[in-house]
Order: sequence, then structure tokens, then C-alpha cells
Amino acid sequence: GNSVTQMEGPVTLSEEAFLTINCTYTATGYPSLFWYVQYPGEGLQLLLKATKADDKGSNKGFEATYRKETTSFHLEKGSVQVSDSAVYFCALVTGGFKTIFGAGTRLFVKA
Amino acid sequence: SQTIHQWPATLVQPVGSPLSLECTVEGTSNPNLYWYRQAAGRGLQLLFYSVGIGQISSEVPQNLSASRPQDRQFILSSKKLLLSDSGFYLCAWRAIAGGPDEQFFGPGTRLTVL
Repeated sequence: GNSVTQMEGPVTLSEEAFLTINCTYTATGYPSLFWYVQYPGEGLQLLLKATKADDKGSNKGFEATYRKETTSFHLEKGSVQVSDSAVYFCALVTGGFKTIFGAGTRLFVKA
Repeated sequence: SQTIHQWPATLVQPVGSPLSLECTVEGTSNPNLYWYRQAAGRGLQLLFYSVGIGQISSEVPQNLSASRPQDRQFILSSKKLLLSDSGFYLCAWRAIAGGPDEQFFGPGTRLTVL
């Protein structure tokens, strides 16, 4: 079946450090891929998306590239800020009604 | 623009009491609607989804139920709450087939069952 696997957290970084959160997927067909972010006490927000192989999604300094050959969609940011502290969810949609979410990765950024 | 509302924002209920959480969406028609639960420090668990008025699909058998009495209204209910029902409940919507695939989430309801 379809699934998303993302690195376990928490990830703790100092401000201005480079961030990578790994995400790999298993899916039939050609899924759309997403990263959502959840700030403390809030619902999830779409951070970025990519709908086909080699597409790069980007937003707020974050980016991720849809790699079909490695079935991956790793999230990166060159310089994190304290305000980036949140839980990040990788997700996929394969055309059905449901979105398949990863377990989430908590990021702590220290000043 | 589209907005999604959930209420109440927080709720503390005794074990065995009933529950009703409400979600409404504005600015779109015929959305797919979803209820998720998030236990403390955990990921998202899909509870129910609906593709139209009166159409409910249940993902996890439990003491919760859902209803969709109007196109943009989605209600989560229980007749008797359990301690294990505590968590953060999120409503979400997505455009119908052929539209964008992303989901849009409400602000959530934090439920504590004592």
C-alpha cells in the first residue's frame, strides 16, 4: 500500500544551521507530494508541494525536490530561525480521497 | 477566499459524557471533508471522511461517529466519551476531484477527557 516514512525527531539545531528532514515514500502510480507544518497549538498548514518528478517546491526558504528514482522528497532550508520550530509532516496523494501522512518530525531551533 | 472554522477551541469533559464538535467551511462548494485526531506527541489519525452530504466513511472503528448535514458542515460526535478519546481534533477540507490535492486544516479542538 501507499506509505510515507520520515526521519524520527526531535531534530535540534542552532539558529542559522542547515536543515534536512528526510522523507521517502511508497506509492502506486504518480503521487503528488507535500510538506505541511504545524506550529504549537495550531492546525497544519501547507508548506510546499510538487506534483511530478523533478519538480521543486519552495516556500519561506524551504525547498524539496520530487525524486522519483529514489522515491524521496527531502525538506531543506539553508538557515533556520527560532520561528521555524514546529512539527513537519511529509505527505502524498495518489488520486484517491485520502492524504497519506508521515508520522511527523519535530524541529527545535535554539537561539 | 476559503476559511475553515472549528469549535470549541478547547473542551474538558468527564468520562461517559457526550461530545459534539463542529466544523464549517466557507468559500467553497462540495468539498471533501475530514476529521483527524492527534494524540499528544503523535501523528495524524484519520477518523472519518465525507465526499458529500450524508456520505460518511469511517476509518477506525470506535465510539465516535460523524455526520454531514449540510454541504459545508461536518460534525464529530460521541454518546459516551472514553479517556482514550483525549487529543487534538482537526477538521480539514480538500477540493473535489480534479482540483488541487492539498488539504486545508482548521485550528483544531483540544479535548481532555477526565
